[in-house]
Formats: sequence, structure tokens, C-alpha cells
Amino acid sequence: DVKVTQSSRYLVKRTGEKVFLECVQDMDHENMFWYRQDPGLGLRLIYFSYDVKMKEKGDIPEGYSVSREKKERFSLILESASTNQTSMYLCASSYGHRVLEKLFFGSGTQLSVL
Amino acid sequence: AQSVTQLGSHVSVSEGALVLLRCNYSSSVPPYLFWYVQYPNQGLQLLLKYTSAATLVKGINGFEAEFKKSETSFHLTKPSAHMSDAAEYFCAVSDPLGGYNKLIFGAGTRLAVHP
Repeated sequence: DVKVTQSSRYLVKRTGEKVFLECVQDMDHENMFWYRQDPGLGLRLIYFSYDVKMKEKGDIPEGYSVSREKKERFSLILESASTNQTSMYLCASSYGHRVLEKLFFGSGTQLSVL
Repeated sequence: AQSVTQLGSHVSVSEGALVLLRCNYSSSVPPYLFWYVQYPNQGLQLLLKYTSAATLVKGINGFEAEFKKSETSFHLTKPSAHMSDAAEYFCAVSDPLGGYNKLIFGAGTRLAVHP
């Protein structure tokens, strides 16, 4: 089975801290994604990557950056955390470059910024 | 721009009753459509997908959905609800011309199943 692993289930940070959320997939998928999930808003795409060192902005990239130095790892970075970034963050991966392939999701990281 | 609207943030049904979760989409071209399910404390899992083949799509766990272009809808149904179906359900759309695997998700519908 494909496994998408997010490094932390729960994370508490202070305003202004630099925060790293890590995601690793074990199935050699080309595509990786970061979403945030908020009640009543569903999932919103922050950034995605279709290849190593490649990245594309999603719908809400402000305040975030990403890094993909290796194919299996996709990191989300909050340069200076703010309280409005308190949310559930979901990482996903998929195979190939076509929209037909399903996304495999990690279990999520619940980030609280105080 | 694509968008997805899920009518009803919460739906409650009795065990054994019909499940109907509504999804309407907005897309400039015939889209690809998906339903994902999220069980408590887990990531999302694919239930089913429509990719311009048969309009009635069957998924896992007895769920199915019908693509209706005239109504721009992709409602999810299950004839008989089970307690284990309690979860949050997300409809998603992708523009096949948009490239890559970018999905736009709806706000979600939380399904409660009571005895």
C-alpha cells in the first residue's frame, strides 16, 4: 500500500516562529501536494510539485513556501507563523501527470499557532 | 474558474436509509469529478471518480454517483446506510485542460448515521 507520512500529528508553535511540516511518500510518485483543511471551507491547495525542485502555487500560497529536494519528500514552510495559519495540514501524492490518478493522503498535521 | 458546491454541511440518516449527498460543479469544460471520504483522524480516501466514461460510477463500500451534465451535478448515493459510513465526504473537480493533478474540493458534508 502507498504510504504518505506526515512527521507530526499535532504541533504547537508561537507567532513569528519558522515552522517546517514534513511529508514523505514511499511509492515514487511524481506529484506531491499541500492542502489546508478548515471547517466549512473544505480543502484548499497551498502548493504542489510535479517533479523534484519544481513547485507551483496553489490557491492560497501567501505566507507559505515549499521545498522538494528529493522525490519522496515535500516540505511546507511557514516563514513566520501567524494565528490565522492555525489549521489542519494535509499532504498528498499521486502518480504520473494526468488528473485521472487518485491522490493518496497523509493523516494530517493539526497546527496550532499561539 | 472551477468550483464545487456541496449542499448541506451536515446530513443525518437512520441506519438502513438511503444516503444522498449533493454536489454541483462549475466548469468551463466537461470536468473530471471525484468523491473522497475522510474517517475520523485519517486522511482522505478516494471513493469513486468520473472521467468521461460511464455516467453512473460505482465506488467502494456500496457508494455510487451519477454525472448529470444538464444539471451540473455529481450526487453521491448509497441505498442503505451503515453505521460505519459516518464520516466527512468531499466532492472534488478537476479541469482536464488544467494539467497535472490539481483538484478543487468542496466544503465537505459530514454524514451522521444513527441507529
